[in-house]
Amino acid sequence: GESVGLHLPTLSVQEGDNSIINCAYSNSASDYFIWYKQESGKGPQFIIDIRSNMDKRQGQRVTVLLNKTVKHLSLQIAATQPGDSAVYFCAENIVGIQGAQKLVFGQGTRLTINP
Amino acid sequence: KAGVTQTPRYLIKTRGQQVTLSCSPISGHRSVSWYQQTPGQGLQFLFEYFSETQRNKGNFPGRFSGRQFSNSRSEMNVSTLELGDSALYLCASSFFGTQETQYFGPGTRLLVL
Repeated sequence: GESVGLHLPTLSVQEGDNSIINCAYSNSASDYFIWYKQESGKGPQFIIDIRSNMDKRQGQRVTVLLNKTVKHLSLQIAATQPGDSAVYFCAENIVGIQGAQKLVFGQGTRLTINP
Repeated sequence: KAGVTQTPRYLIKTRGQQVTLSCSPISGHRSVSWYQQTPGQGLQFLFEYFSETQRNKGNFPGRFSGRQFSNSRSEMNVSTLELGDSALYLCASSFFGTQETQYFGPGTRLLVL
């Protein structure tokens, strides 16, 4: 079935440390994955994405790793800052019959940065 | 470039009423998707519109409907509201709605009493 799950619902790290958020997906045919950040009272904000022809993609302080063999995604945030505190969602992009996409989201991980 | 906008931001309704939510996509985006976010079910896909046509629909009852206008703006309607419809309703837009990044609006917080 369609499901994207996260291994840990909460994660607490010290400011300046690196954090890793994990995600498992079930649809082996999916080839596009996205990480979103959601702060309180706001909609999900795009962080970084990766397509299945890549294993790793880097952005500013963020890196996404994709392991298609075990259907696993991870988001690494380097040198965490207080502004990184939020809920992070992985999403699997599924394309329907008419070519329309829909996102299947994981449950989310709440990341808390401690000063 | 302005982001996705949603109106209203907050709504309080009573059971049995109906509600209409509005979404204006990013300029140039023709695909609009709607999602429901609740603490219990997380983020769930409602439907997607492109060029005024619904191309994809999630597993929600027929009380949930939507439409898209020629300027790509979209509305969703929920009729005969139930307590369980209380949620954050999110709209997302993209250029063509296939294998590309969707950008989300701030959402409409609906409370059903």
